Amino acid sequence: QSALTQPASVSGSPGQSITISCTGSSSDVGSYNLVSWYQQHPDKAPKLMIYEDTKRPSGVSNRFSGSKSNNTASLTISGLQAEDEADYYCCSYADGSFRVFGGGTKLTVL
Amino acid sequence: QVQLVQSGAEVKKPGASVKVSCKASGYFFTGYYIHWVRQAPGQGLEWLGWISPISGGTNFAQKFQGRVTMTRDTSITTAYMELSNLTSDDTAIYYCAREHYYDISGSDYWGQGTLVTVSS
Repeated sequence: QSALTQPASVSGSPGQSITISCTGSSSDVGSYNLVSWYQQHPDKAPKLMIYEDTKRPSGVSNRFSGSKSNNTASLTISGLQAEDEADYYCCSYADGSFRVFGGGTKLTVL
Repeated sequence: QVQLVQSGAEVKKPGASVKVSCKASGYFFTGYYIHWVRQAPGQGLEWLGWISPISGGTNFAQKFQGRVTMTRDTSITTAYMELSNLTSDDTAIYYCAREHYYDISGSDYWGQGTLVTVSS
């Protein structure tokens, strides 16, 4: 049960697009279409942004999208806005019905 | 409306145990797993395990096996997480979160978090 690998930080200017990667293995990301992404603002609980690799919960902006290729999932945020500045975590279902999180990525909107 | 309301902050000494509760309301309790996730100060999210409200079955991350217990009381729609033999490394905010029982669709509602501080 190793943590998924995410970049520690990414940045972008308002209006730009950014992508955060999340690399796992054939025991988790690569074997199941069950990656979710969470946004966490300081001192707040995480918020579900993407589930089942690519689906958006009701109420989440369509500026957020998910994709996956082999063992790497990605979260793309288009049209960056100041309120998107937050920490982002991926999470995958893993063999044995476990869950595993990524280390988190700090997004800075310049 | 869906709510997960957790118990208040705890301060424990090394070697002690802590039990955190998570009161669910606004939805069919037995229709969703309850996951427990923690976050140490300035660190990322770490999954501890889940409990099935239907069966009471549990599944724990290997790191916590032997040290964590998860239970539930369906009569009061409350889940509990107990962590034993605490060390300073267990100082963290502990969250409960629900996930649909049949669709592994991520955790759409989270509790407010419970700060557990382990200090001598």
